[in-house]
Amino acid sequence: DSGVTQTPKHLITATGQRVTLRCSPRSGDLSVYWYQQSLDQGLQFLIQYYNGEERAKGNILERFSAQQFPDLHSELNLSSLELGDSALYFCASSFGTSGRRFEQFFGPGTRLTVL
Amino acid sequence: DQQVKQNSPSLSVQEGRISILNCDYTNSMFDYFLWYKKYPAEGPTFLISISSIKDKNEDGRFTVFLNKSAKHLSLHIVPSQPGDSAVYFCAASWGYGDMRFGAGTRLTVKP
Repeated sequence: DSGVTQTPKHLITATGQRVTLRCSPRSGDLSVYWYQQSLDQGLQFLIQYYNGEERAKGNILERFSAQQFPDLHSELNLSSLELGDSALYFCASSFGTSGRRFEQFFGPGTRLTVL
Repeated sequence: DQQVKQNSPSLSVQEGRISILNCDYTNSMFDYFLWYKKYPAEGPTFLISISSIKDKNEDGRFTVFLNKSAKHLSLHIVPSQPGDSAVYFCAASWGYGDMRFGAGTRLTVKP
């Protein structure tokens, strides 16, 4: 158990809909990262927040947005969903801002299926 | 955006032998490299890392080698055990935790 929790575990929705994925980081961790893993693809970095502020941005679509709240939990919002958005979405957390010095701890993921 | 590549989707080795997993990268800005291990239905877990100022880092049965001139790193597992069977992701990092992952290599260690 990494200490990072993600809800829901599974999500099935239809094209055009909007969903929200939630992540609670490990106690004491200030950074939250979001990743997408599509079939046969590696983990694609989407976005990082540090203590409530956006710190780094990867290959995140404009239809996707995220935020980190004062209690440090984070939400990833996916809108106007397309079939290709079906994937496993991972959240990770670390104490500091740098993946070099601070290991990232991953949650179990949310599996999103868009029908 | 395939800045980190793991060209072997799968690898099968016999218990007790060496497992060698390979990874290539294209971005010379990367200065920290990591290996993560993932079991089914779980998130990836950190295994071992190496800074770009080193060429080798060892932790028990796991050793990571970095060849900067070739932009290549490898993970050696000696001896391999059935419990090592998992998907292994290579990752490269720079800056504020922006990390790029490879597609993963599924390792199967046969008893």
